[in-house]
Amino acid sequence: SQQGEEDPQALSIQEGENATMNCSYKTSINNLQWYRQNSGRGLVHLILIRSNEREKHSGRLRVTLDTSKKSSSLLITASRAADTASYFCAIRTSGSRLTFGEGTQLTVNP
Amino acid sequence: KAGVTQTPRYLIKTRGQQVTLSCSPISGHRSVSWYQQTPGQGLQFLFEYFSETQRNKGNFPGRFSGRQFSNSRSEMNVSTLELGDSALYLCASSLEGGPTGELFFGEGSRLTVL
Repeated sequence: SQQGEEDPQALSIQEGENATMNCSYKTSINNLQWYRQNSGRGLVHLILIRSNEREKHSGRLRVTLDTSKKSSSLLITASRAADTASYFCAIRTSGSRLTFGEGTQLTVNP
Repeated sequence: KAGVTQTPRYLIKTRGQQVTLSCSPISGHRSVSWYQQTPGQGLQFLFEYFSETQRNKGNFPGRFSGRQFSNSRSEMNVSTLELGDSALYLCASSLEGGPTGELFFGEGSRLTVL
C-alpha cells in the first residue's frame, strides 16, 4: 500500500506534555503532509514538508522527514486540551493523488 | 474568503436509493477531490476533478460517480446504495491540484444508509 501508516494509533497525555506521532510509508514521495481532524469534522491542513526537506516548524508543531527510512514524525510541544483530535499523515506521490494514513487519536487531558 | 461548502451535511437513505452530494470549492480553486471516511477503512480516495475533467480515480465501483461544472462546483452521486456506503464523504479543493498542493476540506456530508 502507498498510504502512510501512523504510530501510535492512540496517544493520551497530560496538558503541557509533548506529543509525538510517527508516520511510515513505502513509496517515493513528492511531499508529506499532516492534517488534523476534530471529531466528525473536516480535515485541516497543518504542515507540508517536501521530499528534499528534513525539518519544518510551524508554531508549536515540528515535522521531520527521513526519506531514507521513509518515515516522518510530528511533534506537538506544550500540548493543550484543544489539541485533542485525530492527526493524519498524507503522502503525495508524483501521480498527484494524496493518500492518507489511518490516523493517530490524540487525547490531551486537562 | 469562504471555505469549502458541502451540502447536505446529514442525510439518511435506504438501501437501493441513490444520493447526490454537492461541493462548492474555495473561490479560485480549480481542483476538487472526494474522499470517503469510515471507521474501518479510514480515508479512501474517490476521485479528483480539475477543469471539469476527472483527473484521478480511486478503486470504487461504478456506482460512485462525479462531475465538475464550469464554475468548479462538484457533485458526486452514489446509485443503488448499500449499507456499507454509510460514511462521511469529504470534499477538498486546491488551487491547481497536482503533486505540490495542500487540500482544503469541507465539513463533510454524513450519509447513513438504512
